[in-house]
Amino acid sequence: DSGVTQTPKHLITATGQRVTLRCSPRSGDLSVYWYQQSLDQGLQFLIQYYNGEERAKGNILERFSAQQFPDLHSELNLSSLELGDSALYFCASSIRDSAATDTQYFGPGTRLTVL
Amino acid sequence: QQPVQSPQAVILREGEDAVINCSSSKALYSVHWYRQKHGEAPVFLMILLKGGEQKGHEKISASFNEKKQQSSLYLTASQLSYSGTYFCGTVLSGGSYIPTFGRGTSLIVHP
Repeated sequence: DSGVTQTPKHLITATGQRVTLRCSPRSGDLSVYWYQQSLDQGLQFLIQYYNGEERAKGNILERFSAQQFPDLHSELNLSSLELGDSALYFCASSIRDSAATDTQYFGPGTRLTVL
Repeated sequence: QQPVQSPQAVILREGEDAVINCSSSKALYSVHWYRQKHGEAPVFLMILLKGGEQKGHEKISASFNEKKQQSSLYLTASQLSYSGTYFCGTVLSGGSYIPTFGRGTSLIVHP
């Protein structure tokens, strides 16, 4: 158990819908990272928040957005969902704002299925 | 710049050794290794930093060749629990500080 929690574990929805994925980092960690993992891809970095502020953006679509709240939990919002958005979504947390030398602790993931 | 991992898959019997490689076309600042079992979260194994520093589990060994921009993960006397997909993540010198992960190497250990 990494100490990172994610809800829900599974999400099944239809194309065009909007969903929210939630992540609570490990106690004491200030950074939250979101990753997408589909069958034929590795871990694709989406976005990072540090202490409530956006710090880095990866391959995140405009239909996706995220935020980190004062209690440091984070939410990833996915809208106008398409079949291709079906994937495992992981969040990870670390202490500092740089993952270059920091260990990232991954949550159990949310499996999103878009029908 | 996604790193290239090789081989794509390895099948072993318990007790055998394996080496997983991770290569970059650009200069590296750090290399991160994670193992993921099917349907589970990636689990941290090791970080190797430019200059030789390493952080990770005692039972895992890895090397970082800065000149060749490569890292190798050594799995010796493999156990059934070693089965999973191994990902390397690379941070480029002077680049983004977020690791870019390779496509993974699948390791299957049979009894």
